[in-house]
Amino acid sequence: QQQVKQSPQSLIVQKGGISIINCAYENTAFDYFPWYQQFPGKGPALLIAIRPDVSEKKEGRFTISFNKSAKQFSLHIMDSQPGDSATYFCAASFPLKETSGSRLTFGEGTQLTVNP
Amino acid sequence: NAGVTQTPKFRILKIGQSMTLQCAQDMNHNYMYWYRQDPGMGLKLIYYSVGAGITDKGEVPNGYNVSRSTTEDFPLRLELAAPSQTSVYFCASSYPSGFTQYFGPGTRLTVL
Repeated sequence: QQQVKQSPQSLIVQKGGISIINCAYENTAFDYFPWYQQFPGKGPALLIAIRPDVSEKKEGRFTISFNKSAKQFSLHIMDSQPGDSATYFCAASFPLKETSGSRLTFGEGTQLTVNP
Repeated sequence: NAGVTQTPKFRILKIGQSMTLQCAQDMNHNYMYWYRQDPGMGLKLIYYSVGAGITDKGEVPNGYNVSRSTTEDFPLRLELAAPSQTSVYFCASSYPSGFTQYFGPGTRLTVL
């Protein structure tokens, strides 16, 4: 199953609060779990990524928590700012059999609004 | 570097018309992708290419065609446009270890 399920669909947080977005997957062949950020009118851009043998990865105010046994991972945005208002997509990478490359399957997206 | 460029930015088509969405990248990436984005549905892969002359279907290929004659260009062809193809289309490119994909700015297509 090549699906990634993402929740919530939308999230409103006050400035300075913590934003949490959750994703779940079924396929144990996934080998990387990136998060993408998309601002209105723009294409998505890589925000942060984690390998399945790591339980947590932190970059600045952004942290991925990964629970391999539960097949779940989440994005935490600490001290959320109005500039973080965007759509966030979780994704999972799986290798292509016929090449050395991989492709992504994306979650449905979460529209985050951070109020000032 | 311009990165990934897409043309046009916006387009309105009538049902049954055809068009080609252009995509070009100047990062010498082997892998290129076409996605469509619909509200609440995330990004769905239409087609991808692992190099010039090599393409393969993604999750939602019906109604679309692609070709890849050069490393730089990956056009997406819509034949007999239908209202269900109203969407925002994104082109992306990457190195073979493809979890870092670089996206273009998108083409917003409306079929009436």
